Amino acid sequence: EADIYQTPRYLVIGTGKKITLECSQTMGHDKMYWYQQDPGMELHLIHYSYGVNSTEKGDLSSESTVSRIRTEHFPLTLESARPSHTSQYLCASRGGIDVATNEKLFFGSGTQLSVL
Amino acid sequence: SQQGEEDPQALSIQEGENATMNCSYKTSINNLQWYRQNSGRGLVHLILIRSNEREKHSGRLRVTLDTSKKSSSLLITASRAADTASYFCATDALWSGGGADGLTFGKGTHLIIQP
Repeated sequence: EADIYQTPRYLVIGTGKKITLECSQTMGHDKMYWYQQDPGMELHLIHYSYGVNSTEKGDLSSESTVSRIRTEHFPLTLESARPSHTSQYLCASRGGIDVATNEKLFFGSGTQLSVL
Repeated sequence: SQQGEEDPQALSIQEGENATMNCSYKTSINNLQWYRQNSGRGLVHLILIRSNEREKHSGRLRVTLDTSKKSSSLLITASRAADTASYFCATDALWSGGGADGLTFGKGTHLIIQP
């Protein structure tokens, strides 16, 4: 069982609202990631972090922002949500000293965001 | 840019049959991984194969890797109804000093096991 948690599970909001998607992991992983996935489609990397105070943009341009103030916490924020932001957002992490496992990703259950 | 490309996009078989999914990729990799996703949920890691390995087994799973063809296959033997899910390959690229960290995923194969 992965020790990585995302809240909320589902979020329906109106256009223009500011939202924050939460992601926390208790595995002490340094690397954390946000992926965006439309139904039946591939995952696109939108943000990642190597550790505290590190944030980088991924391959897919996104209007969202992230922060990494604590190792275990990697929230994603949308300042003004639009219908085009409707998607599933998946948080993941990896790391640790065990070389047999530190390359695989552990995923949260995802947040399904719908912007009306 | 998309790295992994799974084939077929969808596969429906009878319970007990074997299921084979293929993945092609474009750049040099450190390793290739397969993940499973149940509808509307996060992904679960299944198996990792390194670039210097050709075949790997884990329970009913068998993965092959051909780096000369930049392709991999996932075989699920003796399929069960509970294997119904989407399966994604993901590549962990060799460090190139400029690309984003993280795995690059394909579009996935949607597998349906008919009871």
